[in-house]
Amino acid sequence: DAKTTQPTSMDCAEGRAANLPCNHSTISGNEYVYWYRQIHSQGPQYIIHGLKNNETNEMASLIITEDRKSSTLILPHATLRDTAVYYCIHLPNNAGNMLTFGGGTRLMVKP
Amino acid sequence: DVKVTQSSRYLVKRTGEKVFLECVQDMDHENMFWYRQDPGLGLRLIYFSYDVKMKEKGDIPEGYSVSREKKERFSLILESASTNQTSMYLCASSSGQGRLRTFGSGTRLTVV
Repeated sequence: DAKTTQPTSMDCAEGRAANLPCNHSTISGNEYVYWYRQIHSQGPQYIIHGLKNNETNEMASLIITEDRKSSTLILPHATLRDTAVYYCIHLPNNAGNMLTFGGGTRLMVKP
Repeated sequence: DVKVTQSSRYLVKRTGEKVFLECVQDMDHENMFWYRQDPGLGLRLIYFSYDVKMKEKGDIPEGYSVSREKKERFSLILESASTNQTSMYLCASSSGQGRLRTFGSGTRLTVV
């Protein structure tokens, strides 16, 4: 199984950066790191993905370590609406259909 | 904006009823998926489909069937609902070999 390890929960002050870590020590060379989040009572929402270079989009930045065994999702200015469970997963190119989420990190953004 | 629409947000059904959960996507995606989400168990794949009339079992297909008669629509069927099928059901779609899933808002099914 392509398993990842994430903290169960984290708090962040509104307006500050939220840094969510993920360990994926079993990742192999052709696997991408994906981040999704799930806001209460909604379906999971794609955030960002990367292979080995750092990535940034309008939602977040993704920092992947050089050995690719861990990554950090950064929400640069967390808002109350960013309160959600954040999931980190890694998938090879040919596993498009077998997406499985673990427990994720419950991020609480506090005013 | 791309969308995956699930027909119901909340459903309450009786044990033994036949239950249909409908999902429609407007992105012309080839792949569609049904998951269930339970506390402590994460997201588990029930069935998926990569083309019209094609279906494949996921991790937990027992007690479920699916139907994909049109590209945009993927139905999950509980032939005889049981209380252990009380869960949040999520539909998703993706294009071709794409790993990127677009999820619906979910249907919270309670079987009493």
